[in-house]
Amino acid sequence: QSVLTQPPSASGTPGQRVTMSCSGSSSNIGSNYVYWYQQLPGTAPKLLIRNNQRPSGVPDRFSGSKSGTSASLAISGLRSEDEADYYCAAWDDSLSAPVFGGGTKLTVL
Amino acid sequence: EVQLVESGGGLVQPGGSLRLSCSASGFIFSSYEMHWVRQAPGKGLEYVSAISGNGGSTYYADSVKGRFTISRDNSKNTLYLQMSSLRAEDTAVYYCVKFDSGFWGQGTLVTVSS
Repeated sequence: QSVLTQPPSASGTPGQRVTMSCSGSSSNIGSNYVYWYQQLPGTAPKLLIRNNQRPSGVPDRFSGSKSGTSASLAISGLRSEDEADYYCAAWDDSLSAPVFGGGTKLTVL
Repeated sequence: EVQLVESGGGLVQPGGSLRLSCSASGFIFSSYEMHWVRQAPGKGLEYVSAISGNGGSTYYADSVKGRFTISRDNSKNTLYLQMSSLRAEDTAVYYCVKFDSGFWGQGTLVTVSS
């Protein structure tokens, strides 16, 4: 059972905007950076968002936001290559360790 | 450019041991806490262990406590995970992670099976 809560699945059609949520608590999302990762089959997680900011090379179609103890990842102009698993993560002050969501599988219809 | 390269994975029998290594480059290794995260086949990400920059502090998930030992050699820019008393449920891809910047290695597969 993951510390951070993500919906198991999401879907959208090409060109659409989709959002996915990540719910935590005051000891993790509420007080620390939120990370969003994209994982394509057979590959390592790739950083998409750190503290609502994109690393260089990540398209501006991806954006992150946070409110209180929840965070969201939005993908606009959905493309077939966006079909992947998406994970949120944050440092947890109570555990003194990172915590992860269970992942959301995005299907592009 | 930050690079993390894991090695040492493979097939091991239940009860056996294995040592994973992670060679780091592109940053001042000794200045950063480092982490191991694993992913069982078809499952999500599971935090395993962490070690402070100077190696003086360590953390273990309950699932591996007493069986796994994390260590580092800052002179070699290398992170280790010594795994013993391995179980089938330890089968996973093990990733070396520099969590603060969100950088992950490519992972190494550990399979525990007779």
